[in-house]
Amino acid sequence: KAGVTQTPRYLIKTRGQQVTLSCSPISGHRSVSWYQQTPGQGLQFLFEYFSETQRNKGNFPGRFSGRQFSNSRSEMNVSTLELGDSALYLCASSWEDGTADTQYFGPGTRLTVL
Amino acid sequence: QQQVKQSPQSLIVQKGGISIINCAYENTAFDYFPWYQQFPGKGPALLIAIRPDVSEKKEGRFTISFNKSAKQFSLHIMDSQPGDSATYFCAARWVAGTALIFGKGTTLSVSS
Repeated sequence: KAGVTQTPRYLIKTRGQQVTLSCSPISGHRSVSWYQQTPGQGLQFLFEYFSETQRNKGNFPGRFSGRQFSNSRSEMNVSTLELGDSALYLCASSWEDGTADTQYFGPGTRLTVL
Repeated sequence: QQQVKQSPQSLIVQKGGISIINCAYENTAFDYFPWYQQFPGKGPALLIAIRPDVSEKKEGRFTISFNKSAKQFSLHIMDSQPGDSATYFCAARWVAGTALIFGKGTTLSVSS
């Protein structure tokens, strides 16, 4: 079974631009979560989607948004990019509705904001 | 956000030695405590996990010890190998959802 895939793997943007990152979960997984990883703050939860609905949201500004499609694929969008948004963005999927324990992470998208 | 505090930040262990990483949490509503291993250029991968009704869980060379009253848990890697050199993250999950709160990570180097 294929793992979680994220595209693109690397991205360079300039301040003020917007960016969209994509995540395809493991086949059959319906929950998708997004995390931001930086050297200073570590891994921080952004939001979680289940059945096309945002179920949980972390403490990030409204510039960070996401959505999930009917095939469970998910996208996250960051508008008006800031230098501090440079990070590794990780997507994780899990089997079902929150009772499943294991989250499987993708390799991440490395975003650099210049 | 609720915190999970992890220590040490870095650890150097000789091959064959025991690596110990500690975590402490604040929120008693956490119901699931996983450990993740991350290699450079890769996403984190689940190593081992425990629930608060169990005091210890062992899988191969990896053991989690859990102290509910102290709100602490630790990862022990027995017979550490150079291939174990990676960054390790402890985490905790809220009861209500699947969001994981991560510790800041421990970079483990196992010298041969």
